[in-house]
Amino acid sequence: SHELTQPPSVSVSPGQTARITCSGDALTRQYANWYQQRPGQAPVLVIYKDQERPSGIPERFSGSSSGTTVTLTISGAQAEDEADYYCQSADSSATFEVFGGGTKLTVL
Amino acid sequence: QVQLVQSGAEVKKPGSSVKVSCKASGDAFNSHSIIGWVRQAPGQGLEWMGGIIPFLRTTNHAQNFQGRVTMTTDESTYTAYMELSSLTSGDTAVYYCARGIGGPVAARLTLNWFDSWGQGTQVTVAS
Repeated sequence: SHELTQPPSVSVSPGQTARITCSGDALTRQYANWYQQRPGQAPVLVIYKDQERPSGIPERFSGSSSGTTVTLTISGAQAEDEADYYCQSADSSATFEVFGGGTKLTVL
Repeated sequence: QVQLVQSGAEVKKPGSSVKVSCKASGDAFNSHSIIGWVRQAPGQGLEWMGGIIPFLRTTNHAQNFQGRVTMTTDESTYTAYMELSSLTSGDTAVYYCARGIGGPVAARLTLNWFDSWGQGTQVTVAS
């Protein structure tokens, strides 16, 4: 089981806004990070500390936080954004890192 | 920019051990970084295994791997190692190393984000 809960899948049309949520009680106290993973590739960090974007990540990727839920938003999703997305934080006692179960984003 | 290069694919028998290496550029071995290990079973999500603070060699690992995982570092070659023992078919997965950082604080074993990843090492456990 995961302490971070994500929807298994999200679908959007090209150009639309995709929103992927991640829920967990620990998120009221700790930051969350987001990773994009394309098939056969290693994960790539796209958002850290809830809303910070690493250099080189397109501006259409953004993050937000409210209570026990964090949200990754992709504004104007493109075909190349089709991938699995994982949130990550620490458990409620900040003893272990935890990944959400992942969300498959389909852009069609 | 940190680069992490992992060792090649392994095929192991049940009950044996595997040791995966992760050679890092110098920036991954500093006072603000850790090396984390994450695995991904076929068709499954990411699973955090644990992490190590280089130089201090302090480690932390997930309860699922209690007694089976050993993480070490060789600071002279900027290489991290993860050894997993008592392998079963359930350990068949791609194993990743990743550099973890947590902002301006000194290196710590949790509350990090992983900004650079190795290419992954396929470990297959089969009789």
